[in-house]
Amino acid sequence: DSGVTQTPKHLITATGQRVTLRCSPRSGDLSVYWYQQSLDQGLQFLIQYYNGEERAKGNILERFSAQQFPDLHSELNLSSLELGDSALYFCASSVRSLALGTDTQYFGPGTRLTVL
Amino acid sequence: SQKIEQNSEALNIQEGKTATLTCNYTNYSPAYLQWYRQDPGRGPVFLLLIRENEKEKRKERLKVTFDTTLKQSLFHITASQPADSATYLCALGGGATNKLIFGTGTLLAVQP
Repeated sequence: DSGVTQTPKHLITATGQRVTLRCSPRSGDLSVYWYQQSLDQGLQFLIQYYNGEERAKGNILERFSAQQFPDLHSELNLSSLELGDSALYFCASSVRSLALGTDTQYFGPGTRLTVL
Repeated sequence: SQKIEQNSEALNIQEGKTATLTCNYTNYSPAYLQWYRQDPGRGPVFLLLIRENEKEKRKERLKVTFDTTLKQSLFHITASQPADSATYLCALGGGATNKLIFGTGTLLAVQP
């Protein structure tokens, strides 16, 4: 168990709908990352938040948005859903080791989104 | 643009042998490189980190090498077991945001 929790575990919805995925990072971790993993695809970085502020952006669609709240949990909002958005969505958290300059990420169990 | 390449074909080996997985990268000078293990439908799990000034790192049956001249990392599992069967991802990190860039992973299948 990585200490990162994600809800829901599974989500089935229809095209055009909007969903919200939730992530709670490990205790003490300030950074939250969101990734998308489609079937047979690698992890695609979407967005990173650090202590409530957006830190880095990857290939995130305009239909997708995220935020990190004061209690450090994060939500990923996906709207106008399309069939191609069906994927595993992972959240990861980290506390950057300032002394070592590294950033090991701890991943949650993921949310499997199916768009019908 | 930055590119990471891992063997797209599955690696099949016999139990007890050493598995060697390759990670090559271009257009990037990472400060460190990490290896993760991912089981089907699960989140990746961190295994090892090696920094740019380190040549080799070991942890139990795992060994990682990092050649910044060749822009390549090798990941070895010695005395492999069927339980080692999984997809292994390499990830490059560094820079102001410490964003990790992941490879697509290599599927390892260890036959009993």
